Amino acid sequence: TQLLEQSPQFLSIQEGENLTVYCNSSSVFSSLQWYRQEPGEGPVLLVTVVTGGEVKKLKRLTFQFGDARKDSSLHITAAQPGDTGLYLCAGALLTSGTYKYIFGTGTRLKVLA
Amino acid sequence: NAGVTQTPKFRILKIGQSMTLQCTQDMNHNYMYWYRQDPGMGLKLIYYSVGAGITDKGEVPNGYNVSRSTTEDFPLRLELAAPSQTSVYFCASRRDPQRNYGYTFGSGTRLTVV
Repeated sequence: TQLLEQSPQFLSIQEGENLTVYCNSSSVFSSLQWYRQEPGEGPVLLVTVVTGGEVKKLKRLTFQFGDARKDSSLHITAAQPGDTGLYLCAGALLTSGTYKYIFGTGTRLKVLA
Repeated sequence: NAGVTQTPKFRILKIGQSMTLQCTQDMNHNYMYWYRQDPGMGLKLIYYSVGAGITDKGEVPNGYNVSRSTTEDFPLRLELAAPSQTSVYFCASRRDPQRNYGYTFGSGTRLTVV
């Protein structure tokens, strides 16, 4: 069974603080995606990383794919209340010629004003 | 641009009842999926479809059925509802299963079985 573990599971911080959430597995992924899900809504794609060591920035969010493509991190600088939500990572595995996506368990972030 | 539309938003079922969760997309995506989301458990794949007339089981298909008569619609049927099926259900679509394309999710159906 392939697992994608996210840590921490919960995070509550003050506005303006920095934070990092992690997504780890023993499997090697072809690519990895990060999603944000707000209450009552479905997940929305933030970014896709493909190459080992790749770093992508989306405003105050920085995403990194591990060199071995087994892990990823999401760093938020100067968090704002609008960043509140559930952050999910999803890794793509090539299995029998098709891509299968495994979702992580999620990190629930609350940013207090 | 509607994307993926799910109905209903909320539903309460009694044990043993049946219902259909509706999902439609207007992006002409071939690939469609049904996931369930339980607290602390991430998203689990129930069924998926690679095109009209083709469906296949995911990780947790027991107690569910699907059909795909058109590209746009992918309904999920629950027969004989059980408390274990209490969950939030998400329908999603993708243009192709190439690795760089992300999912477009609907806003979900919260189902409670009592």
